[in-house]
Amino acid sequence: GAVVSQHPSWVICKSGTSVKIECRSLDFQATTMFWYRQFPKQSLMLMATSNEGSKATYEQGVEKDKFLINHASLTLSTLTVTSAHPEDSSFYICSARSLQGPAYEQYFGPGTRLTVT
Amino acid sequence: KQEVTQIPAALSVPEGENLVLNCSFTDSAIYNLQWFRQDPGKGLTSLLLIQSSQREQTSGRLNASLDKSSGRSTLYIAASQPGDSATYLCAVMEYGNKLVFGAGTILRVKS
Repeated sequence: GAVVSQHPSWVICKSGTSVKIECRSLDFQATTMFWYRQFPKQSLMLMATSNEGSKATYEQGVEKDKFLINHASLTLSTLTVTSAHPEDSSFYICSARSLQGPAYEQYFGPGTRLTVT
Repeated sequence: KQEVTQIPAALSVPEGENLVLNCSFTDSAIYNLQWFRQDPGKGLTSLLLIQSSQREQTSGRLNASLDKSSGRSTLYIAASQPGDSATYLCAVMEYGNKLVFGAGTILRVKS
């Protein structure tokens, strides 16, 4: 149980285009989903927290107009990187917190590798 | 601002050796501490979670300890195997459910 999927697993796009990444909780309902980014050989940095049906809360330094987050249902959150640039190339990982389980437990997706050329 | 530091940054050991990975954090007001494993290009696998009121957790060959007052945790791996090769991440959960990660320790177990 408690499986989180991400789609796509990898994507290559041209500079200036937008890319959407999906995060789904497959067998549970998620009140809250978290989006992280990870640069090569660095740790995960929290970008934003999204709650179903409300606006996402962004961490300091993360541009909300560039990284659009939508949490339309209890099983789906999307991250759209708008007008992507090469410096946005990174590994993006989402996690989800179950509606039913302990509040502290987060289940992580497998990640999406974004390369902007 | 919470900062999590992991030492060493990389470790290479022969198969069968016991090893210790270290994690320290600057703010002891944490909800819990977790150790994760990350294989190259993959997501995270949760290994052990220690609540702030606990001192240690064990799972198979893994044992994690927590000294909240001194801001330290260790992950002990017994009888290491090549399959243990991965990056090990330590993360503390602050009140508000925000996870703050360390930079990780890259472990290589040689056969």
